[in-house]
Amino acid sequence: KNQVEQSPQSLIILEGKNCTLQCNYTVSPFSNLRWYKQDTGRGPVSLTIMTFSENTKSNGRYTATLDADTKQSSLHITASQLSDSASYICVVSPFGGYQKVTFGTGTKLQVIP
Amino acid sequence: NAGVTQTPKFQVLKTGQSMTLQCAQDMNHNSMYWYRQDPGMGLRLIYYSASEGTTDKGEVPNGYNVSRLNKREFSLRLESAAPSQTSVYFCASSEQQYSTDTQYFGPGTRLTVL
Repeated sequence: KNQVEQSPQSLIILEGKNCTLQCNYTVSPFSNLRWYKQDTGRGPVSLTIMTFSENTKSNGRYTATLDADTKQSSLHITASQLSDSASYICVVSPFGGYQKVTFGTGTKLQVIP
Repeated sequence: NAGVTQTPKFQVLKTGQSMTLQCAQDMNHNSMYWYRQDPGMGLRLIYYSASEGTTDKGEVPNGYNVSRLNKREFSLRLESAAPSQTSVYFCASSEQQYSTDTQYFGPGTRLTVL
């Protein structure tokens, strides 16, 4: 069964600090890897989308990296803000049909003043 | 643009009752999706529609039916609700079902089945 594991489960950081969230997956071969931000009580919002051939993708203070050899991705948040408090979800889509898409359980980030 | 809208926002059902969750998008997207999100689990795909007139099962289709009414609307029906269907349901849409297309999610419907 395809799996997507995220770590840590939760994280508390001070405003202004940087942090890195991890995503390990077993989906292979895969078509693309996405990172979403989900505020409490809201739907997910897309941050980055990387195909299997890409190594890095940025969206403002968010930078995602991908190592297809080790099947790992990370999401780096620079100069954190209080509004970054949310869950961050890693999603991997395999080749051969979207029905096999796998979502991670997310990392809950809290940014404190 | 309202983006993706879902109705209702909240719903409480008794076991065995039926209901339809409505979803509409105003972005002229071709592809639409239904997911459920349960505590401690990742979102799971229920059904998706790559384009108007087509629907396909996702990971957890049992107990659900869908209708792609037109390009804008994609509804999810629970024929006989069960407590295991208590969840938050999200609808999403994307321009095409391509690997690099961004999916836009609605605000969700919180369903409780007693």
